[in-house]
Amino acid sequence: AQSVSQHNHHVILSEAASLELGCNYSYGGTVNLFWYVQYPGQHLQLLLKYFSGDPLVKGIKGFEAEFIKSKFSFNLRKPSVQWSDTAEYFCAVNANTGFQKLVFGTGTRLLVSP
Amino acid sequence: DAGVTQSPTHLIKTRGQQVTLRCSPKSGHDTVSWYQQALGQGPQFIFQYYEEEERQRGNFPDRFSGHQFPNYSSELNVNALLLGDSALYLCASSYPQQGAFFGQGTRLTVV
Repeated sequence: AQSVSQHNHHVILSEAASLELGCNYSYGGTVNLFWYVQYPGQHLQLLLKYFSGDPLVKGIKGFEAEFIKSKFSFNLRKPSVQWSDTAEYFCAVNANTGFQKLVFGTGTRLLVSP
Repeated sequence: DAGVTQSPTHLIKTRGQQVTLRCSPKSGHDTVSWYQQALGQGPQFIFQYYEEEERQRGNFPDRFSGHQFPNYSSELNVNALLLGDSALYLCASSYPQQGAFFGQGTRLTVV
C-alpha cells in the first residue's frame, strides 16, 4: 500500500526566507507525484506535478520540487516566500497505472510573517 | 475558478439520516473521485467513477455509495450517518497527465 509522510506539520517563516517542505513516499512501483496547496477558505489547488522526465519540476508561483527516486522523496522548495504563501501544503502520490487514487500526506501548515 | 463545482457548500444532518452530495467535473474531464478530509488531516480516497461505474474504492463502509451520470457529474450518498462522518467532502475530476482538480468541497456536520 502507498503512504506519504510529511515531516513538518507546522512551519513558520519570515518573508523572503527560503522554504523547503519534506515529502517521502512508500511504494514499490512507478509513481506520479504532486504538491497541492490549500489557501485559507479556498479549494485544493495543484502546485506542480511529476509524471516522468526531468526530476526537477517547476510549478506555479515560483515553487519547484525535486524527485529523488533513490530517497523516495519529492521535496517542495521556494527561494523566497511571501506572506501570500501562507497556506496548507499537501504532498500526494498515485501509482503510474491509469487513474489511480491519490494518497495524501497529512499536510504542512505554513505561516509566513510579514 | 476551480472548474469543479460541488453542492451544497454546507450541510447539517442528524445521526441516522442520509445525505446526497453533488459534483460537476471540470469541462472535458470524465473521471470523478471523492475524498473525505477530516479536520487536520489530508484527504482520504473514498471511490472513483469512470464511464458511470465505480472503478476503485478506498477503505470506506458500504454506507458510502455513489453514482456517475452520462454527463460525467456525480453524487456521493452516505446512509445511516454517524458523528464521525462529519468532515469536508471533496470531489476531484481528472484527465490523463493533468492531475486531479478539486472542488471547494461540502462541509458536512452530523449532530
